[in-house]
Amino acid sequence: QSALTQPASVSGSPGQSITISCTGTSSDVGSYNLVSWYQQHPGKAPKLMIYEVSKRPSGVSNRFSGSKSGNTASLTISGLQAEDEADYYCCSYAGSSTFWVFGGGTKLTVL
Amino acid sequence: QLQLQESGPGLVKPSETLSLTCTVSGGSISSSSYYWGWIRQPPGKGLEWIGSIYYSGSTYYNPSLKSRVTISVDTSKNQFSLKLSSVTAADTAVYYCARHYSDDAFDIWGQGTMVTVSS
Repeated sequence: QSALTQPASVSGSPGQSITISCTGTSSDVGSYNLVSWYQQHPGKAPKLMIYEVSKRPSGVSNRFSGSKSGNTASLTISGLQAEDEADYYCCSYAGSSTFWVFGGGTKLTVL
Repeated sequence: QLQLQESGPGLVKPSETLSLTCTVSGGSISSSSYYWGWIRQPPGKGLEWIGSIYYSGSTYYNPSLKSRVTISVDTSKNQFSLKLSSVTAADTAVYYCARHYSDDAFDIWGQGTMVTVSS
């Protein structure tokens, strides 16, 4: 049982937009603007896509955006492309006792 | 650019200690801005943070693993290491090392190394 809850799967057609939710609690997502999102292709290491809720690292497409409302964070991918098909994980800082918690991951299928 | 590379045995016997090393290249592990962490991923499952260390040696661990985990740093070799004791089959996973700011995101990851716990 992961600390953060994500849908197991989402899908969309090329060019469409999708949103992946990440639900935590008032002890993690709700308390800190330190939510990050990672993309993982099969057999590869995770890649940072969003940090501090909505910031994009250099080199990450602006088709990726993040937001947060209360205890739920969201990752939106616009203009879906075949290369976006991957697993996506959210992560939140959870304070100086628990530190970091991850979501269970969401498999994105581009139809 | 900065790269991280995990190394260590791919097979560990139950009840023994898993030992892995992460070598940092292209930058210094002693940078005052960064922390260095271990994260694992059991086959077909999600990510789990194990623990992190600062170059000074300050450590913090996942409470669920704390009793079995030791992370250390060797600044002269630009490496940090993970020891996980009393392993069971549940510790079978891909183990990643990664860099992060204080309480912020893990921005650079190693390629990962698969460790299987089996007799």
